[in-house]
Formats: sequence, C-alpha cells, structure tokens
Amino acid sequence: SAVISQKPSRDICQRGTSLTIQCQVDSQVTMMFWYRQQPGQSLTLIATANQGSEATYESGFVIDKFPISRPNLTFSTLTVSNMSPEDSSIYLCSVVGVTEAFFGQGTRLTVV
Amino acid sequence: GIQVEQSPPDLILQEGANSTLRCNFSDSVNNLQWFHQNPWGQLINLFYIPSGTKQNGRLSATTVATERYSLLYISSSQTTDSGVYFCAVELTGGGNKLTFGTGTQLKVEL
Repeated sequence: SAVISQKPSRDICQRGTSLTIQCQVDSQVTMMFWYRQQPGQSLTLIATANQGSEATYESGFVIDKFPISRPNLTFSTLTVSNMSPEDSSIYLCSVVGVTEAFFGQGTRLTVV
Repeated sequence: GIQVEQSPPDLILQEGANSTLRCNFSDSVNNLQWFHQNPWGQLINLFYIPSGTKQNGRLSATTVATERYSLLYISSSQTTDSGVYFCAVELTGGGNKLTFGTGTQLKVEL
C-alpha cells in the first residue's frame, strides 16, 4: 500500500486567486493522478503527472488552468488558477500500487 | 467514452440489514475496483476485482466481466458503513487511469 499526504486539507479562497495543492507519497511512483470531485458528483480525472515530462491532461482540462509540477518520484503539485466559484470541489491525488489505487485525503476547496 | 452506472443512487438501511450495490460498465475493462468514501471525503479501496469473487469480512464483491457488471454485497450493515460507494474501471491499455461510476449514497440508521 501507499501512504499519501495531501496539503492543505481544506481552504477558502477568493475568486481570481490561485491555490497550489501538494501531494507527497511515501514511496517512489512513476505516475501520479489528480482527480476532481465537484459537490455531490463522482470523481473525474484531471491529469496524469509523470516525472520528467509534461503532465497529460484529460479532455476539458487545460494546463493554463491546472498547471502541474512533478519534480521527483514522490511529490507533485496541482495549482488551480484564476479561481471561480465553479472550481469549488474536492481535489484528490492518487497513485497506483501493484493493482490497487490509493488516494490522499483530498483538498476541499471553496471559492467565494 | 466508457459509461459506468451504479444503482441504486441512494439507499437507506436499518443497522443489521444486508444490501447489494450494482455497477454496470459499457465496455471491456482491464480492472475494476470498489471504493468507500467516508463522510470526511477519504476514499478507501475495498476491492480490486477485475473478475471473480472476493470477500473481506462483511463485504464481498463479484465481477462478471463478460456481462460487464460488478456487485458489492454488504452484510449486517453498521452505521460506519455509511458514505458513498464508487466502482471505478480502467480500460484495457488505459495506463492506470480510472473512470469512476456514478456512486451509491448509503445511509445506515440505528
């Protein structure tokens, strides 16, 4: 299994500002995944973060809005840029072990 | 893209009751997992079950890949079972990317 620490656990931000979410894993992993969960909804994959290369974004998500860094094999950040109330969601990072996926505790973001 | 539908969307149980949650998916998948999201938002992996049947305590799961569905059984439910249950699938060649189902919101009452 993997232990994932995510910070901050929650935040309330003003519209137009940016928030950077950090994800730290207790072991080296090739890929890290960022998901978004809008209120009352399921999880949607934002992007896959690979060490040493640009992140790969899913349809509907762009780098200018959600820039991602992956400086090493145990750490990644996701920035939510120029926030609006529609960005209010839980953001989760994830890694995959041998077979199973593991998730951080999530960052609950409220944009006012 | 692949569609992953779960039923029922909402479920209320009395403590001690049993229940079955269903996950239907529209395409062949490489793997299927079940998760429980507790009221604080934490996602816990319950089962990795691309096919066959597994049991873990009061929970068990069955996936029939050829018919594109999976079932999660909860027996003798407890209030701590409350939360949202998600199935998630990975397409063949999907690079470990998961597509989540619509979820089942479960509330277990005393």
